[in-house]
Amino acid sequence: GAVVSQHPSWVICKSGTSVKIECRSLDFQATTMFWYRQFPKQSLMLMATSNEGSKATYEQGVEKDKFLINHASLTLSTLTVTSAHPEDSSFYICSAGRGGTEAFFGQGTRLTVV
Amino acid sequence: ELKVEQNPLFLSMQEGKNYTIYCNYSTTSDRLYWYRQDPGKSLESLFVLLSNGAVKQEGRLMASLDTKARLSTLHITAAVHDLSATYFCAANSRFGNEKLTFGTGTRLTIIP
Repeated sequence: GAVVSQHPSWVICKSGTSVKIECRSLDFQATTMFWYRQFPKQSLMLMATSNEGSKATYEQGVEKDKFLINHASLTLSTLTVTSAHPEDSSFYICSAGRGGTEAFFGQGTRLTVV
Repeated sequence: ELKVEQNPLFLSMQEGKNYTIYCNYSTTSDRLYWYRQDPGKSLESLFVLLSNGAVKQEGRLMASLDTKARLSTLHITAAVHDLSATYFCAANSRFGNEKLTFGTGTRLTIIP
C-alpha cells in the first residue's frame, strides 16, 4: 500500500518561533498533497492544497503568510508555521493522493506552542 | 460548497448491540470515505465507496452509499470494546480530486 510519512510526530516550540513539518510519500509520487488541521475533539479542516511546482491553494480563512507551504518535489511537501502562537497548537495531518480513488494520510504532527 | 454532516456526535453503546452512524453530504460527490481515529493518532482508512448502492463490509463494520439521497451509513454489528474510537466520514469536493471534506465525527464508546 501507499505510505505517507510525516515528521516530526510531535513538537513543542516557544511562542514566536517557526516550526517546519514534513510530509513525504515514500513509495509513490504525489503531484498534490493536502494539509489538514485538527483541534482537540473536533473534525479535520482542510488548510491548503499543495501542488508540486506551483503555489499552494489556501482555504478561506487560512493565512498564507503564516502557514508557508512548499512542495519542492513529487514526494515532499512542507508546512512551516511561522511566528507560532499558542492558538496554533493543534494536530496537523497531511495526505497525498496518486490520482486514484484514495488519499493516504500521514501519522500527524502534534504541535504545542508554549 | 460541500458540507458533510454526521450523526450522532456521541454514541455510547453496550457490547453486543447494533447501531448505525449516518453521514449526509450536501452536493454531488463521487466518493465517500469512512475513517477511524484513535486518541492521539491519525486516520485509519476503513472504506471507500464509489458508486450508488455500494456496500462494503469488514468484520463488524458495514458501510453503504446512496448517492441519490446523498447518504452513507456505517453499521456496527454486535459491538465490541475494541471498536471504541472516533469515526469520520468524508466526501471529495470535486470529481477525481483527493481533497476531502470531513464530517463532524462520531465518538463511539462501547461499554462492556
